[in-house]
Amino acid sequence: SQTIHQWPATLVQPVGSPLSLECTVEGTSNPNLYWYRQAAGRGLQLLFYSVGIGQISSEVPQNLSASRPQDRQFILSSKKLLLSDSGFYLCAWNPDRAGTEAFFGQGTRLTVV
Amino acid sequence: GQNIDQPTEMTATEGAIVQINCTYQTSGFNGLFWYQQHAGEAPTFLSYNVLDGLEEKGRFSSFLSRSKGYSYLLLKELQMKDSASYLCAVRVKNTGFQKLVFGTGTRLLVSP
Repeated sequence: SQTIHQWPATLVQPVGSPLSLECTVEGTSNPNLYWYRQAAGRGLQLLFYSVGIGQISSEVPQNLSASRPQDRQFILSSKKLLLSDSGFYLCAWNPDRAGTEAFFGQGTRLTVV
Repeated sequence: GQNIDQPTEMTATEGAIVQINCTYQTSGFNGLFWYQQHAGEAPTFLSYNVLDGLEEKGRFSSFLSRSKGYSYLLLKELQMKDSASYLCAVRVKNTGFQKLVFGTGTRLLVSP
């Protein structure tokens, strides 16, 4: 069976510090991978998605970047965090087939102070 | 662009029926999903529609009309544990890539 791991679960970082959130998927190959952000009481905003190694599409201009160094690994990064980067970050994956739902990791609660 | 609209908040009573609507305007429509999200947790999958009509799954049903860009989630025999946010998401396919775009979610409060 497939599983998705995302860490850390919570993170408190000072403004201006770097960020690295990691997500890995097990039990499948060539998944579509996604990073979403959810501000408090808001919906999910798609930040990045990837259909293969090294293939990253950015949805909104921002202070973040994403990389996919391996087939089942997706990393969200920032060189210098801003206060506005605080939020709930969710990694998700789905097979590249019609009719398949996305499966989410447990999420990372990031607070920039 | 992609636009997905849902009511922000709804309230209902335990044992009642509630319908949560979702309207969308997207290009490359390739299916609509409903997710449930409890506060502080990741969303969990509830239902999927790609053809017009009603899909039933126990106490939950979801309806889709592609010509109207409209879907609803119907929750029957409401329980207190159904208090959560319900997210409508559209799968869009453009230039060979598929991605899930979410609405802002509807917060449902079930009272005794």
